[in-house]
Amino acid sequence: DSGVTQTPKHLITATGQRVTLRCSPRSGDLSVYWYQQSLDQGLQFLIQYYNGEERAKGNILERFSAQQFPDLHSELNLSSLELGDSALYFCASSSTHGRATDTQYFGPGTRLTVL
Amino acid sequence: TQLLEQSPQFLSIQEGENLTVYCNSSSVFSSLQWYRQEPGEGPVLLVTVVTGGEVKKLKRLTFQFGDARKDSSLHITAAQPGDTGLYLCAGANNYGQNFVFGPGTRLSVLP
Repeated sequence: DSGVTQTPKHLITATGQRVTLRCSPRSGDLSVYWYQQSLDQGLQFLIQYYNGEERAKGNILERFSAQQFPDLHSELNLSSLELGDSALYFCASSSTHGRATDTQYFGPGTRLTVL
Repeated sequence: TQLLEQSPQFLSIQEGENLTVYCNSSSVFSSLQWYRQEPGEGPVLLVTVVTGGEVKKLKRLTFQFGDARKDSSLHITAAQPGDTGLYLCAGANNYGQNFVFGPGTRLSVLP
């Protein structure tokens, strides 16, 4: 158990809908990272937040947005969903703002299926 | 854009055999990490290497960072069924931003 929790574990929805994925980092960790893992694209970095502020942005679509709240939990919002958004979405946390040597602890993931 | 390639893509071996998997890039990274991911779970960090030429050992696993910090290898001695999983390498720049993951090597160790 990494100490990172993600809800829900599974999510099935239809094209055009909007969903929210939730992540609680390990106790004391200030950074939260979001990743998308699909069969054809592998693990793709989406976005990082540090202590409530956006720190780094990766391959995140404009239809996707995220935020980190004062209690440090984070939410990833996916809107106007398309079939291609079906994937595993992972949240990870680390203790600092994101040094190259940081250990990222990954949650168990949310499996999103868009029908 | 920094990209990482991993080879082989798939590897199936018998228990007790040795194996090496590779992670290559045309870009220089400040650090390179190796993760193992099991089905239905998130990746788990195995090791971080930061110095060109660095070698780290973790029980039967030996990790090496290339001298130019563009490539890395993972060698497993006497593989066991418990080593089965997806092995991912990930590179980061100085600020840890935009961790770039390779596509992974899917290892299956048969008893």
